[in-house]
Amino acid sequence: GAGVSQSPRYKVAKRGQDVALRCDPISGHVSLFWYQQALGQGPEFLTYFQNEAQLDKSGLPSDRFFAERPEGSVSTLKIQRTQQEDSAVYLCASSSQTRQGAGNQPQHFGDGTRLSIL
Amino acid sequence: AQSVTQLDSHVSVSEGTPVLLRCNYSSSYSPSLFWYVQHPNKGLQLLLKYTSAATLVKGINGFEAEFKKSETSFHLTKPSAHMSDAAEYFCVVITRGGGGFKTIFGAGTRLFVKA
Repeated sequence: GAGVSQSPRYKVAKRGQDVALRCDPISGHVSLFWYQQALGQGPEFLTYFQNEAQLDKSGLPSDRFFAERPEGSVSTLKIQRTQQEDSAVYLCASSSQTRQGAGNQPQHFGDGTRLSIL
Repeated sequence: AQSVTQLDSHVSVSEGTPVLLRCNYSSSYSPSLFWYVQHPNKGLQLLLKYTSAATLVKGINGFEAEFKKSETSFHLTKPSAHMSDAAEYFCVVITRGGGGFKTIFGAGTRLFVKA
């Protein structure tokens, strides 16, 4: 069955360039999450959508980071004017969890996009 | 405050011996607890979850975990390690916070399996 799909798998960009990372969640999953995982670290929460609504963006490290999910399915994480400290793996996860639910639905992860800023 | 502590950053075992990966949590609400495994250059794969049903939870690949509320622990175990178990393991808590839910990851435990 189709899992969470992320593209590209690897992205190399020069400092100052803009990048866009795509996430295709599991069909029917209302919740979508973005995480940043630095080398040797655990994932750090960036932002969360329920359908097309961005309910929590408290983890976005700066206003250079922007995420959208306009039709409640595919999501794009955009990083403007990239810096070397943005180099990391960006993970996307989706879940059938709703805001009103019990909080017991697991998140299903894609393989991530490894971003390297030169 | 909600938090997750994985007590060991690295664990090394011999193939065929038991595995114990320790996780303690702090939560103001009844949490849902998960263990994920991450192999190199891959995303996180769900091993098992606890969601207030049975306190002993069985997962994939022979792993299991026991929820102990009195000790605020959710340790992951496996009776006999296999070489393919070598990976990074994350304990994850989902709890209420900020008007919705918060997902909190532990720092991870890297499991090494020696032949």
